[in-house]
Order: sequence, then C-alpha cells, then structure tokens
Amino acid sequence: AQSVAQPEDQVNVAEGNPLTVKCTYSVSGNPYLFWYVQYPNRGLQFLLKYITGDNLVKGSYGFEAEFNKSQTSFHLKKPSALVSDSALYFCAVTPLFKAAGNKLTFGGGTRVLVKP
Amino acid sequence: DVKVTQSSRYLVKRTGEKVFLECVQDMDHENMFWYRQDPGLGLRLIYFSYDVKMKEKGDIPEGYSVSREKKERFSLILESASTNQTSMYLCASSFRESPLHFGNGTRLTVT
Repeated sequence: AQSVAQPEDQVNVAEGNPLTVKCTYSVSGNPYLFWYVQYPNRGLQFLLKYITGDNLVKGSYGFEAEFNKSQTSFHLKKPSALVSDSALYFCAVTPLFKAAGNKLTFGGGTRVLVKP
Repeated sequence: DVKVTQSSRYLVKRTGEKVFLECVQDMDHENMFWYRQDPGLGLRLIYFSYDVKMKEKGDIPEGYSVSREKKERFSLILESASTNQTSMYLCASSFRESPLHFGNGTRLTVT
C-alpha cells in the first residue's frame, strides 16, 4: 500500500525568505508524485508533478520540487515566499504503473503561513 | 478550462437522513473521484469511477455509495447520515493520468 508523510503540520516563514515543505512517500515501484495547494474555502489546485526525468521539477507560481529516490522524498520549494503563498499544501503519490487510474494517496497537509 | 461543480457549498443534515452530494464536470473526463478532507488526515478516497456505470471502492467506502449514470455526473450518497460523516467532501475528475481537477467542496454537517 502506498503512503505519504508530511512531517510538519505548519511552516512559518517571513516574506522574501525561502520556503520548503517536506514530503516523503512509500510506493511499489516508481512513483508518480504531485503537489497541490488549497486556498481558504476552495478546492485543491495542481502545482506540479514528477513522473520521470530531471529530479528538479518546476511548477506554477514559482514553485519547484526536488525528487530524491534514495530518500524517497519530494520536497516543495520556493526561493522567495510571498504572503499570498499562505495556504494548505498537499503532497500525493500513486504508483507509476497505475498512473492512468490516477488513484492518488494524499499526505495530511502542511499549512504554510508567510508573514510580512 | 476544466470546471468541476459541486452542487452545494454547505449542507446541514440530521442523523439518519439520506444525503445526496452531486458533482458535474464539463471536460468529458473518464475518471471521477470522491474524497473527504479532515484536519490532519488529508484527503481520503471514498469511491472512484473510470467510466459510466462503473464504480470502485476507495480506502473508506463504509457508509457511502455512488452513482454514475452519465459521464459528466458522479453522485455520492450517504444512505443514513451519521455525525462521524461531518466533513468536507471534494469531488475531482481527470483524463487518464493528467492532474486531478477539484471542485470547491461541500462542507457537510450532520447533527
């Protein structure tokens, strides 16, 4: 069975500082990994995905994520955080050989608070 | 742009009532999903469907059923609502392995 761990319930960062949100996963075979963001009273929005290739993936709103197979991690990063990045972030995984079914397992979420 | 519409933003129901949550997508996606979101637990998959009249159980199907009579519509049914089903319910759709598109959610309170 697949699983995702987001070890931090909340991350606080000052505006302009780098932001990192951590994610580790467990899956059979190669992973198909995602990051989603949820703003207050909204559904989840897709940020980026990793399927294969370059370990550094670039996504929407200046976010990027680094895939590390040996550490089974997929940490989300942004070089300079904005107040508007304050939201709830979810990491998700599915086995690559089951990608067409898109049956994702989500982590518990990390709340990001960016202070001016 | 893909639009996933959930019919109700907020619902308040009584214990034992039969509850219908409706979801419609406008992009002809084969895959549709129902998740519930609870603080600290993230999103947990209730049911999903890969085609009309097809349905499969997710990780927490107990107390729920689904219906997919048309490709664009995926309904979640709580046969007899209970207080432990108070939650945020999120519908999503996708084309094969493309990223999921989510609706804005239905916050259900069962009293």
